Amino acid sequence: ELQLAESGGGVIEPGKSLGLSCSVSGEVSGLTFDDFAMHWVRQLPGKALEWVAGISWNSDRITYADSVKGRFTVSRDNAKSALFLQLKSLRPEDTALYYCAKSDNWDDVVLESWGQGALVTVSS
Amino acid sequence: DIQMTQSPSSLSASLGDRVTITCRTSQDITTSLNWYQTKPGKAPKLLISAAYTLQTGVPSRFSGSGSGTDFTLNINSLQPEDFAVYFCQQSGSFPVTFGQGTRLDMK
Repeated sequence: ELQLAESGGGVIEPGKSLGLSCSVSGEVSGLTFDDFAMHWVRQLPGKALEWVAGISWNSDRITYADSVKGRFTVSRDNAKSALFLQLKSLRPEDTALYYCAKSDNWDDVVLESWGQGALVTVSS
Repeated sequence: DIQMTQSPSSLSASLGDRVTITCRTSQDITTSLNWYQTKPGKAPKLLISAAYTLQTGVPSRFSGSGSGTDFTLNINSLQPEDFAVYFCQQSGSFPVTFGQGTRLDMK
């Protein structure tokens, strides 16, 4: 079974930067972290889910939601089984619970495993 | 972007009831539609992928159907653990998009 654990959330002022990490352990059907595409999804205060960013297994494909493009950067370190999200120029509307999640395929984003989430609150 | 219209936004039901949640997409996505269950303080859980494929360990009272632009999640014989918020999600193209969610609570 795969376990995902986010860290790095907190309260941050508008305009500032923050980094989130997702540590992944375990395996599923003999596959491990470097076999999967990874994604960040956020749950907004009204409870809606919003996909934020995705990165392929070898980082050759990366894509973002328009709402975060140019401000957020997703990356991964397969040697450390870790996923990252750098959040810059934060806005109050970025306040959310940020989840990391994995999909087997880049072309069909079925989010089979999720972490428990890291809360980011953007407020002065 | 593919727009998702999920209904109802909230639903009250009793133990043992059958409930239906619908999801409509703005474009034909064949069967690239997934359903998730969320509960406070817990990781979201994938229930159904590819419109009707039940995930391992998910009770058979959950079922999905549909293709193209219209999809349905059915829950038969509601159990106490089923009261949660449910989301549909299209997985066929970026950006990935979710429905607005359906809050299922006990009547």
